[in-house]
Amino acid sequence: AQKVTQAQTEISVVEKEDVTLDCVYETRDTTYYLFWYKQPPSGELVFLIRRNSFDEQNEISGRYSWNFQKSTSSFNFTITASQVVDSAVYFCALDTTDSWGKLQFGAGTQVVVTP
Amino acid sequence: DAGVTQSPTHLIKTRGQHVTLRCSPISGHKSVSWYQQVLGQGPQFIFQYYEKEERGRGNFPDRFSARQFPNYSSELNVNALLLGDSALYLCASSLVAGGYQPQHFGDGTRLSIL
Repeated sequence: AQKVTQAQTEISVVEKEDVTLDCVYETRDTTYYLFWYKQPPSGELVFLIRRNSFDEQNEISGRYSWNFQKSTSSFNFTITASQVVDSAVYFCALDTTDSWGKLQFGAGTQVVVTP
Repeated sequence: DAGVTQSPTHLIKTRGQHVTLRCSPISGHKSVSWYQQVLGQGPQFIFQYYEKEERGRGNFPDRFSARQFPNYSSELNVNALLLGDSALYLCASSLVAGGYQPQHFGDGTRLSIL
């Protein structure tokens, strides 16, 4: 069975601080994809980044960066120099060969950025 | 290009009624998935359709059904509504059914059951 755990319920920061969101996943599949989505108050889930299970190279895209470690089954996400517009709920999701296309989401982490 | 569009935006129903939610995928996307998001939780998978065939079903009762049309749009139907069906219903589309291609979501339909 697949499972995604986001232990942080809410994170509050002041603008320009960095924010790191934790994600721990469980799967027995060797081929899978991990995603981060952002959900602003409007409700739409916005795709941010993805990583496949064969590529542990960490990357940076603008103010976003991610740290994927298979050894600890973690896929953490960092927002650098946070802005008020980053305030949203962030979800980590898992897609595996056992159930392609059926995203398994974590419970989400509420990020509050204050000026 | 237009994103995933869902209608209606909001809906209020009473227990026992029936509801139909609609979704138009991004142009060129052949896979549509439906998710239910209860307040304070992550989305839960309901259905996936690819090329008009059901590719997967989540742990939801038979009161929930869906279909995909030749133009790849989709409908989600829920019969005999219960209070617990109150949620945000999200539709997502992707080029193919799963894997590398990310799912792109619509704004959702907020369903309230009285």
